[in-house]
Amino acid sequence: NAGVMQNPRHLVRRRGQEARLRCSPMKGHSHVYWYRQLPEEGLKFMVYLQKENIIDESGMPKERFSAEFPKEGPSILRIQQVVRGDSAAYFCASSPRRDGRQETQYFGPGTRLLVL
Amino acid sequence: AQSVAQPEDQVNVAEGNPLTVKCTYSVSGNPYLFWYVQYPNRGLQFLLKYITGDNLVKGSYGFEAEFNKSQTSFHLKKPSALVSDSALYFCAVRGYGGATNKLIFGTGTLLAVQP
Repeated sequence: NAGVMQNPRHLVRRRGQEARLRCSPMKGHSHVYWYRQLPEEGLKFMVYLQKENIIDESGMPKERFSAEFPKEGPSILRIQQVVRGDSAAYFCASSPRRDGRQETQYFGPGTRLLVL
Repeated sequence: AQSVAQPEDQVNVAEGNPLTVKCTYSVSGNPYLFWYVQYPNRGLQFLLKYITGDNLVKGSYGFEAEFNKSQTSFHLKKPSALVSDSALYFCAVRGYGGATNKLIFGTGTLLAVQP
């Protein structure tokens, strides 16, 4: 039973380029969360998605960041015109039910983005 | 607003000794509390959670946590530490209200177990 999958595991971009991070939730899970871990900090919530819907994007920066979870395929976190401050580990988590606060979120291995 | 505090950046313990990693929380309503562990360059692994019921929750790898409502704490414990337990530990609380089930994390505690 495969867990949450993320790719790439490591991504290097130059300032101004675009970064695309992918997340495939666990089998049977239809809810995806993205978190960012800056160096020496804890994880911060970014966005919560269901298939074809953004439920909560209160943690997303106002500009350059977007996320989607299409009907088919993985969830994508997209960062346009990356800057050095975007360098961080980006984690995806999935859970089986939206309105179950007791549900556990299971995390992927993360994508470590380095902006040169 | 919900929040979680982990007052210790690092905890050092000798192998075989009991360990405690502290966590306090602030929430409106019933708290749903979680512990995760992160090994270097890896994702977070779920250890245990408190939803309701017994205040002592047992989880993976011999870990347990004690929920204390009066002290608003949810400390992680293990009777006998292993060197392989050395990792970064995060306490988290589930967000309350609205449409989100986001997790709110503490800043993490680095556990170092010396042989």
